Amino acid sequence: GAGVSQSPSNKVTEKGKDVELRCDPISGHTALYWYRQSLGQGLEFLIYFQGNSAPDKSGLPSDRFSAERTGGSVSTLTIQRTQQEDSAVYLCASSGGGPGELFFGEGSRLTVL
Amino acid sequence: DAKTTQPNSMESNEEEPVHLPCNHSTISGTDYIHWYRQLPSQGPEYVIHGLTSNVNNRMASLAIAEDRKSSTLILHRATLRDAAVYYCIHAKKSSGDKLTFGTGTRLAVRP
Repeated sequence: GAGVSQSPSNKVTEKGKDVELRCDPISGHTALYWYRQSLGQGLEFLIYFQGNSAPDKSGLPSDRFSAERTGGSVSTLTIQRTQQEDSAVYLCASSGGGPGELFFGEGSRLTVL
Repeated sequence: DAKTTQPNSMESNEEEPVHLPCNHSTISGTDYIHWYRQLPSQGPEYVIHGLTSNVNNRMASLAIAEDRKSSTLILHRATLRDAAVYYCIHAKKSSGDKLTFGTGTRLAVRP
């Protein structure tokens, strides 16, 4: 497709389990961002990739969160030992390098029971 | 952090113009002003951005104050589909400068 694709769209997991969320950016976009949005809240920045490297990881809330990007394309956000406070919509965005026009996916809704 | 101040909520009637204000008094000379909106249950979508001059596109117009410490997003004729949370952000030109989203303005459009 032409847009940013995220999977799964919905994930329900038990506390303590690991989850992986995937993002397929728009083809050719070099910049990739992960945000999360808790219910009724604004967007919280998590991490930014330029190519395969992550110059800004300042938003990752704890060492349970990690992300990687391979081939300058697909990115995976991994949350280990999930906690209930991790429940949120995780949004991925990509950019072609212009002044801040980000294209967002529909998000992955994570529910930790 | 790049802070902006927006009203929590606004209301408009359908087919009337809407002016959404934003204060960004800490903006630096190289920061762009970006507007995004988020419809219910969707990811944010880009609306418009500008640096110094007023900007127009098919979605909206952006009026930037001369001192650049404030801006106004103008929807010329609101439709029901324009009901969303509107975010005003200022950030540097490079794509590496993350966009910091505040809580935005929730716009309700009355039929």
